[in-house]
Amino acid sequence: QQPVQSPQAVILREGEDAVINCSSSKALYSVHWYRQKHGEAPVFLMILLKGGEQKGHEKISASFNEKKQQSSLYLTASQLSYSGTYFCGTRYNDYKLSFGAGTTVTVRA
Amino acid sequence: DAMVIQNPRYQVTQFGKPVTLSCSQTLNHNVMYWYQQKSSQAPKLLFHYYDKDFNNEADTPDNFQSRRPNTSFCFLDIRSPGLGDAAMYLCATSRVRATNEKLFFGSGTQLSVL
Repeated sequence: QQPVQSPQAVILREGEDAVINCSSSKALYSVHWYRQKHGEAPVFLMILLKGGEQKGHEKISASFNEKKQQSSLYLTASQLSYSGTYFCGTRYNDYKLSFGAGTTVTVRA
Repeated sequence: DAMVIQNPRYQVTQFGKPVTLSCSQTLNHNVMYWYQQKSSQAPKLLFHYYDKDFNNEADTPDNFQSRRPNTSFCFLDIRSPGLGDAAMYLCATSRVRATNEKLFFGSGTQLSVL
């Protein structure tokens, strides 16, 4: 079952913040976040497991709200290099990783 | 560096002409996946191998086949490509199948069907 991501796209100026949400109607075991630049492979950012932990990668962090079955990715003080499409991938009670439709982030100088 | 390598980077084939995409890995991972990603869409899992065990997704067309002759290599065969099969094909690996395992992706093969 595919998770739902929002927003579909966001445009930022350097230094601004943004939040990307990923939600599921089923109980999640883990949420993965990947970033994909145009024409390239997705690159792993972080994984969050059941338990509501928060993780970080540079100035990008994420949280996992088990009660809401939702994960949020926080882009703080965005840099030009943050541009790309962010996918959340969700795992339920098996190993399959299902990806959301993606959020395209454009950071402008 | 250990990595996932896909060849070729770009592949052009003709409608109905069989095509094979290849993936190799130096990570010695047990699991190899094939994802199809159409323009502006999320990657969609086609199938995966856990060691020699092939696992097909229920909605993967019969036109798509896969082979894994050894741990390092995995192939995606499209028997009769249609225009709708034009997409980026991503190979990925993971050490094992588990909820906390991350995927390592190759750079992908962009397939065009003329």
